[in-house]
Amino acid sequence: SQQGEEDPQALSIQEGENATMNCSYKTSINNLQWYRQNSGRGLVHLILIRSNEREKHSGRLRVTLDTSKKSSSLLITASRAADTASYFCATVPPPQGGSEKLVFGKGTKLTVNP
Amino acid sequence: DTGVSQNPRHKITKRGQNVTFRCDPISEHNRLYWYRQTLGQGPEFLTYFQNEAQLEKSRLLSDRFSAERPKGSFSTLEIQRTEQGDSAMYLCASSLGQGRASNEKLFFGSGTQLSVL
Repeated sequence: SQQGEEDPQALSIQEGENATMNCSYKTSINNLQWYRQNSGRGLVHLILIRSNEREKHSGRLRVTLDTSKKSSSLLITASRAADTASYFCATVPPPQGGSEKLVFGKGTKLTVNP
Repeated sequence: DTGVSQNPRHKITKRGQNVTFRCDPISEHNRLYWYRQTLGQGPEFLTYFQNEAQLEKSRLLSDRFSAERPKGSFSTLEIQRTEQGDSAMYLCASSLGQGRASNEKLFFGSGTQLSVL
């Protein structure tokens, strides 16, 4: 079962515009992570935000976390064609017998048109 | 190259055949994960190892799937009697494994694309 669910499923924008993707999750978390996946490749870690943080920045990325709404958003500013990829949020569900698996959502497919 | 390495990159097999994939994690990483991903979906957890110990296995993993990490370094994932539904990208990831998984980022390989005809 998937803990996180991204919205929208697909997003198409022009180069230079901002892209916002949302993630909703079901249970309490310690942290939330965002990953990027270029077509046919493995995932690359982008950013980790802890449950006691509300906002975090990394270059052109801005992540917010609202634990009361069980949601997170990823903002990519001044997008480039190279940002075209799928973006996934991932969390570790509450410990059940010591589970340490990272659970991914279905992802948002972002297309940045030149 | 000090990243996670997966071999082969592509595998085409006939239904009923056995296949084996290999993953070489980053050398100092203690934790190793296997995920499966189908088109348009996120990675789905299969199993993970802490050193050589297999600590968790997904309930979705049938008895036809087996994974090993004999010396706590590389890992193999074997699928016996493959079915068309096994066609997917099989991803391996590793992490330091020194604390809670939620605190660690995963480093992924490029995956093995399996096609079962």
